[in-house]
Amino acid sequence: DARVTQTPRHKVTEMGQEVTMRCQPILGHNTVFWYRQTMMQGLELLAYFRNRAPLDDSGMPKDRFSAEMPDATLATLKIQPSEPRDSAVYFCASGLTRDGESYEQYFGPGTRLTVT
Amino acid sequence: GQNIDQPTEMTATEGAIVQINCTYQTSGFNGLFWYQQHAGEAPTFLSYNVLDGLEEKGRFSSFLSRSKGYSYLLLKELQMKDSASYLCAVLLRTTDSWGKLQFGAGTQVVVTP
Repeated sequence: DARVTQTPRHKVTEMGQEVTMRCQPILGHNTVFWYRQTMMQGLELLAYFRNRAPLDDSGMPKDRFSAEMPDATLATLKIQPSEPRDSAVYFCASGLTRDGESYEQYFGPGTRLTVT
Repeated sequence: GQNIDQPTEMTATEGAIVQINCTYQTSGFNGLFWYQQHAGEAPTFLSYNVLDGLEEKGRFSSFLSRSKGYSYLLLKELQMKDSASYLCAVLLRTTDSWGKLQFGAGTQVVVTP
């Protein structure tokens, strides 16, 4: 069955290093979301795209985070340079928006990032 | 700003019923979702309400009152596997946040034997 895939599933890196997380949305979905989840803050929206165009990245620290969709089958989230406070689980989700209506979002398995 | 409130934790016995309440105050509203999240896993979709009333889906039901800014998720005949976090999420619909989900902090349900 169709699923959102994310790579890597786990990443441990040192402070200052670049981190790239990848997401393949469900085929046919036109909206892609990046979330971050921590115990303290819960699930926070970082950025989202519709038809590959960025719509909202107000939840993302602009100085170090960047999100892109080079094509319809790939979304990326980069952190450069990474900091220990970036340690979290990063989820990608995809959904369908049609005729002005949005439907449920399907989440990928997440990337567990640890920055030491 | 957006405000979504739900209890932090609830405990119930296997076979019992538990009701998880969610109240919200958001700028723009286009529906309310409930997601289930087991520890270490991704959230999975449970239900979606856009009109007032009760939606039933097997052992799970979800209710919405738009005028009161209130929803609940009802879990019947609880099973051990229902132990998870349940997330209430409002689908926002404003000029700059169309299609964006705002999540509550989640309610941890603990099912005991």
